[in-house]
Amino acid sequence: GESVGLHLPTLSVQEGDNSIINCAYSNSASDYFIWYKQESGKGPQFIIDIRSNMDKRQGQRVTVLLNKTVKHLSLQIAATQPGDSAVYFCAERATGANSKLTFGKGITLSVRP
Amino acid sequence: NAGVTQTPKFRVLKTGQSMTLLCAQDMNHEYMYWYRQDPGMGLRLIHYSVGEGTTAKGEVPDGYNVSRLKKQNFLLGLESAAPSQTSVYFCASSSYSDQYFGPGTRLLVL
Repeated sequence: GESVGLHLPTLSVQEGDNSIINCAYSNSASDYFIWYKQESGKGPQFIIDIRSNMDKRQGQRVTVLLNKTVKHLSLQIAATQPGDSAVYFCAERATGANSKLTFGKGITLSVRP
Repeated sequence: NAGVTQTPKFRVLKTGQSMTLLCAQDMNHEYMYWYRQDPGMGLRLIHYSVGEGTTAKGEVPDGYNVSRLKKQNFLLGLESAAPSQTSVYFCASSSYSDQYFGPGTRLLVL
């Protein structure tokens, strides 16, 4: 079946370095993608999104890249800070899916001081 | 503007007991969702609603029922709780694109 997955379960980075979190998706009918951040004991929080007619979108310290050819999504965090430590999820929405999202399993980002 | 709220925050049930989880949103969103989150499993959709008075099954609906009598509320019911339903439950709402999540309800079924 269709699924959204992440390449690595955990990622450890040094404070101040850039982080790159990768996500592979398999549903070629997906037209919308989101990255969420989930801190311990809290609900997922929207970070940034991108539509399938774009290949790059930038926010504050974050950039999402979409490569539809290889069905790959990445989240880049510039100058990673301790407050970025969390679990990150990618999610996709298939066209006509009544706004339903399919979530990946999540990756833990750990920032070393 | 409270966003999405969930009650209760934590609950312990015995096998066979019933309970209802309440989700409320004040953003006038049409769509609402219930997910469960288990370690290593990500978020799995239980049921969802595309508008007041409507409900639909998600990926893991067995053992749960839902109701959306008012646009701002989405209730998740467990008629006869089982240990396999021990999980963290999240409610979310959306207008169409990104979803806004509540803080979660931790449920332990003994």
